[in-house]
Amino acid sequence: GAVVSQHPSWVICKSGTSVKIECRSLDFQATTMFWYRQFPKQSLMLMATSNEGSKATYEQGVEKDKFLINHASLTLSTLTVTSAHPEDSSFYICSARVGQGTNVLTFGAGSRLTVL
Amino acid sequence: QKEVEQNSGPLSVPEGAIASLNCTYSDRGSQSFFWYRQYSGKSPELIMFIYSNGDKEDGRFTAQLNKASQYVSLLIRDPQPSDSATYLCAVRAGGGADGLTFGKGTHLIIQP
Repeated sequence: GAVVSQHPSWVICKSGTSVKIECRSLDFQATTMFWYRQFPKQSLMLMATSNEGSKATYEQGVEKDKFLINHASLTLSTLTVTSAHPEDSSFYICSARVGQGTNVLTFGAGSRLTVL
Repeated sequence: QKEVEQNSGPLSVPEGAIASLNCTYSDRGSQSFFWYRQYSGKSPELIMFIYSNGDKEDGRFTAQLNKASQYVSLLIRDPQPSDSATYLCAVRAGGGADGLTFGKGTHLIIQP
């Protein structure tokens, strides 16, 4: 089945540093990937839609200059949390739509970010 | 603002009984409906999806959709302790919308 690989699975960083999270589709091409964030006991919140070869579309309230998204190839999207602060600590999950014309999303394993 | 509502629980169900999970959504134009299961500390995994009014069965799981009432449910037959998890309802709007809107999830506990 379609697999989305996400790396790193967990990361601890100091406040003010930047962290990059990678999301790869292993056995399929993903023209569109989605980045979600989940705080403890909360729902998954869509942050942005990553489109291969073009700018990402950010949801209302998500700072595009803070959460940089790059989707340079059909199998890789990256999320960079710039100048991270403790309030950015969260579970970040990427997902991709499997196949054209399907609504089914496959999720990566998630990346737990802790900012000290 | 599009909303997806679920009872957070915990919902405690004896092993072997039927677990019933409910979800309502605010956007009447929503087209696609999904149920995901999420274990603590893990990412969601798809259980099933439904697009049309009525029931859809897949093994021990049955999804029910009523667009007029803006209501979708998930039934789990013969649940086992391993089914204990948080169940997330997700909705995709129509009109070419891409991402899914998730509910907060219902924490299901299956009692041995």
